[in-house]
Amino acid sequence: ETGVTQSPTHLIKTRGQQVTLRCSSQSGHNTVSWYQQALGQGPQFIFQYYREEENGRGNFPPRFSGLQFPNYSSELNVNALELDDSALYLCASSLGGGPDIQYFGAGTRLSVL
Amino acid sequence: DQQVKQNSPSLSVQEGRISILNCDYTNSMFDYFLWYKKYPAEGPTFLISISSIKDKNEDGRFTVFLNKSAKHLSLHIVPSQPGDSAVYFCAASGKEYGNKLVFGAGTILRVKS
Repeated sequence: ETGVTQSPTHLIKTRGQQVTLRCSSQSGHNTVSWYQQALGQGPQFIFQYYREEENGRGNFPPRFSGLQFPNYSSELNVNALELDDSALYLCASSLGGGPDIQYFGAGTRLSVL
Repeated sequence: DQQVKQNSPSLSVQEGRISILNCDYTNSMFDYFLWYKKYPAEGPTFLISISSIKDKNEDGRFTVFLNKSAKHLSLHIVPSQPGDSAVYFCAASGKEYGNKLVFGAGTILRVKS
């Protein structure tokens, strides 16, 4: 059974650019959630995808968008990057689309200069 | 507004003794609670969870206690081991609250040998 994998591990972008982060869910899981973790804080919910449909969204602007593919892998896209977008982006997968144990990947560290 | 609070930024415990990590929440719609452990450069790892219909759940050295009237939960680690040194996050979720996990800011646990 493979765990949650994220790519890339690190990324450096400049303000105004766009970025795509990728996540492969754990085998058998159909739900993917994305979180942003700023330094010294807990992860903050961005959105969740369940069976390729958005299934809940946190307090993030529309320039944060996502996709889930038929194999349940997922992408997080961020447009018009701002300095405050610098953070660790975590992907978590779970089974069922409801309150459940979510299993996390190691994250992508994004630095916006 | 912080709906899940971990008021102790850090805790230091001697090896073999008990570690007690605390968490408070404000939203009475939460009905499922989880603890995660995070090592540097890794994603959060699920430790233990508890449903609001229970007041205690035990798994090996880890026990979570839930006091719904006080909106308080705690994680007990007995006996503490140096490998337990990590950041511990409390998270809450619930059917009525959607599928997102709401995290506290974390507590750094250091177990001294």
